[in-house]
Amino acid sequence: DTEVTQTPKHLVMGMTNKKSLKCEQHMGHRAMYWYKQKAKKPPELMFVYSYEKLSINESVPSRFSPECPNSSLLNLHLHALQPEDSALYLCASSFGQGEGYEQFFGPGTRLTVL
Amino acid sequence: SQQGEEDPQALSIQEGENATMNCSYKTSINNLQWYRQNSGRGLVHLILIRSNEREKHSGRLRVTLDTSKKSSSLLITASRAADTASYFCATDGDTGFQKLVFGTGTRLLVSP
Repeated sequence: DTEVTQTPKHLVMGMTNKKSLKCEQHMGHRAMYWYKQKAKKPPELMFVYSYEKLSINESVPSRFSPECPNSSLLNLHLHALQPEDSALYLCASSFGQGEGYEQFFGPGTRLTVL
Repeated sequence: SQQGEEDPQALSIQEGENATMNCSYKTSINNLQWYRQNSGRGLVHLILIRSNEREKHSGRLRVTLDTSKKSSSLLITASRAADTASYFCATDGDTGFQKLVFGTGTRLLVSP
């Protein structure tokens, strides 16, 4: 299984809602990532987990809360988002953390904040 | 921090032609990677080239790396409509090699 899955594919939420994005991989990868991508822009790193511990937080606002319940799962909890948070949220995983490892991406969750 | 700048920003060619995209970066690197992204989808890894390599091939892809000029190029030969996508280079972005930073990307359109 060389796939990273993400659910849901699309999400529309109001500014007062709480929702979660889910990411799963069964490749035995020990590093997992959340990226945010706006239209016609490159992905921007938000968080990195390595061996289930938060390794990098790119100064992301606290309305985004990551969680890594086990080595296969990564969640992103969303609360009180702003319309400018609307974007494609990508999850990725790699065998190890760092620029020397190929990253495998999921198809993304298209988030719209009203 | 953004490490890679790619040019052209957009490229439009006919099927069968070759497509060349360039990536320039600012600081020393260990590795440079290229990824493809079909519209609104996840990224797919294409190739990784190490700093001690000058050229690497994978099928119709050829990647070159010139560390003295801090630049890399991706050549797609005999392009197909299915190659239509955005292409990104990625390096560590002067972050101590702990993460990938993606370049600005080239949008390639291959017309039948």
